[in-house]
Amino acid sequence: KAGVTQTPRYLIKTRGQQVTLSCSPISGHRSVSWYQQTPGQGLQFLFEYFSETQRNKGNFPGRFSGRQFSNSRSEMNVSTLELGDSALYLCASSLGLLRSQETQYFGPGTRLLVL
Amino acid sequence: GDSVVQTEGQVLPSEGDSLIVNCSYETTQYPSLFWYVQYPGEGPQLHLKAMKANDKGRNKGFEAMYRKETTSFHLEKDSVQESDSAVYFCALKIGDYKLSFGAGTTVTVRA
Repeated sequence: KAGVTQTPRYLIKTRGQQVTLSCSPISGHRSVSWYQQTPGQGLQFLFEYFSETQRNKGNFPGRFSGRQFSNSRSEMNVSTLELGDSALYLCASSLGLLRSQETQYFGPGTRLLVL
Repeated sequence: GDSVVQTEGQVLPSEGDSLIVNCSYETTQYPSLFWYVQYPGEGPQLHLKAMKANDKGRNKGFEAMYRKETTSFHLEKDSVQESDSAVYFCALKIGDYKLSFGAGTTVTVRA
């Protein structure tokens, strides 16, 4: 079974631009979560989607948004990019919400560099 | 809030040494506990997990025991190999909420 895929793998943008990152979960997984990873802050939770609904949100400004489609694929968008948004953005999928379904599997990430 | 504290920074065992990476958690609830491993250029991979007190997660010679009395989930291996070099993250999950990660521990096994 194919793992979580994320596109693009690398991205370079300039301040003020916006960016959209894409995530395809493991087949059959309905929950998708997004994390930001930086050397200084580690792994920080952005948001989680299940059945096209955002269920949880981390402490990030409104410039960070996301959505999930009916096929469970997800996108996240960052508007008005700042230098501090440079990070590895990770997507993780899990089967569902039950405790037996909660294990999250990560994709390889999208490396975003903001200049 | 819920939090995880693990061995800071880098550990440098030699090949064949035993390894312990400490993980302590803080929560008022009943979490599931995980160790993830991350290799350069990749996302974190699930290494092992334990869903309730006294469960032991095992994978590739590594073990971690879910100890509720000491709120710990230490990662242990009797004899490390160079291929075990990676960054290890301890994490907890409460119900259907987010994964909360520790800061990560870099394990560099010396030949």
